[in-house]
Amino acid sequence: EIVMTQSPATLSVSPGERATLSCRASHGININLAWYQQRPRQSPRLLIYGASTRATGTPARFSGSGSGTEFTLTISSLQSEDFAVYYCQQYGNRPPWTFGQGTKVEIK
Amino acid sequence: QVHLVESGGGVVQPGRSLTLSCAASGFTFNTFDMHWVRQAPGKGLEWVAVIKYDENIYYADSVEGRFTVSRDNSKNTLYLHLNSLTPDDTAIYYCARDQSDAYFDYWGQGTLVTVSS
Repeated sequence: EIVMTQSPATLSVSPGERATLSCRASHGININLAWYQQRPRQSPRLLIYGASTRATGTPARFSGSGSGTEFTLTISSLQSEDFAVYYCQQYGNRPPWTFGQGTKVEIK
Repeated sequence: QVHLVESGGGVVQPGRSLTLSCAASGFTFNTFDMHWVRQAPGKGLEWVAVIKYDENIYYADSVEGRFTVSRDNSKNTLYLHLNSLTPDDTAIYYCARDQSDAYFDYWGQGTLVTVSS
């Protein structure tokens, strides 16, 4: 099973600032990685797949990068609606599909 | 548009059973793999099970032998039968559509299962 590790657990950012979230896979997964956003009391929503491809409706301020074992989600200028929990998920070696433990982006 | 609506959650005693449903609409249900993912209170996401369009099935180790996933393509509905429930199974259960045997592009709103005496 591939273990996904996200850092930091919590990121405090001011509106308009840049946020950088990290995700590490225990084994190489090529670019088989997705990012999800979960706002409070809502379901997860797909943001990015293939490590860097934005899903339909994902604003351009969200960008993903990386391959192999190291991945990054960058939010270029945080808006109020971006304060949420973000999860990475690997699908390079499944089953099982595995998620990181999440990074909470909170208002500084 | 794609819609996934879960139902069937509730409070159940340890050791008892429960069946969850996920009604799908807005897409050709029988051509997509479908997943169940759960989230314990205040915790992260945990993949539970998948039933592929060809009816192949896989489970997480934590539920293997206790949970059963099935689908009724004539009703566009996904099911999860939960047996031998323990307090550790307390969670919101989401159904999600699989895209290309890879990521999950649509999620339902979830249904809460609470296992408590």
